[in-house]
Amino acid sequence: GAVVSQHPSRVICKSGTSVKIECRSLDFQATTMFWYRQFPKKSLMLMATSNEGSKATYEQGVEKDKFLINHASLTLSTLTVTSAHPEDSSFYICSASLYMRSDYGYTFGSGTRLTVV
Amino acid sequence: DAKTTQPTSMDCAEGRAANLPCNHSTISGNEYVYWYRQIHSQGPQYIIHGLKNNETNEMASLIITEDRKSSTLILPHATLRDTAVYYCIVRVPTGANNLFFGTGTRLTVIP
Repeated sequence: GAVVSQHPSRVICKSGTSVKIECRSLDFQATTMFWYRQFPKKSLMLMATSNEGSKATYEQGVEKDKFLINHASLTLSTLTVTSAHPEDSSFYICSASLYMRSDYGYTFGSGTRLTVV
Repeated sequence: DAKTTQPTSMDCAEGRAANLPCNHSTISGNEYVYWYRQIHSQGPQYIIHGLKNNETNEMASLIITEDRKSSTLILPHATLRDTAVYYCIVRVPTGANNLFFGTGTRLTVIP
């Protein structure tokens, strides 16, 4: 149980275009989801906290107009990278809070590798 | 959340036990120790967590010192598929606060 599905797993896009990444909780409701970014050989860095029905909370240094987050339902959060540039190429990972189930804590999606050319 | 310190990398022979240490000297009384791992190009995977007692599940064992300032994750019989980065995280398991990932330990299981 407690599966998070992230899609797509890999995407290549041209500079200037936008890319949407979806994160779905398949068998539970996730009122809070988190979006991380990971550069090669580096650790995960939190980008934003996504709350169902309200605006996302962005970490310092993350441009909210560039990384649009929508959490319109209890099972879906989306991250849209707008006007992508090569420096946005990275591995993006979502996770869902299972704060009502302290045995797991969090469950993660499988990640999306974005390459901007 | 308390900070943790882990060795950057470790090697382990296949079939042997892998013991991954973690220091969390500033851990507070209500913080749990969580372990996650990340296999290359995948999302992190939950392994185990505990407060002060030793814990064991089908994946690993967690040994927490009596003063709770350090812990050790034990993979009893490491396989090649256990090659991953292992993250030790301490946090209070309430609310929807995020997980803070440190640098972790890169474990390489050698045939």
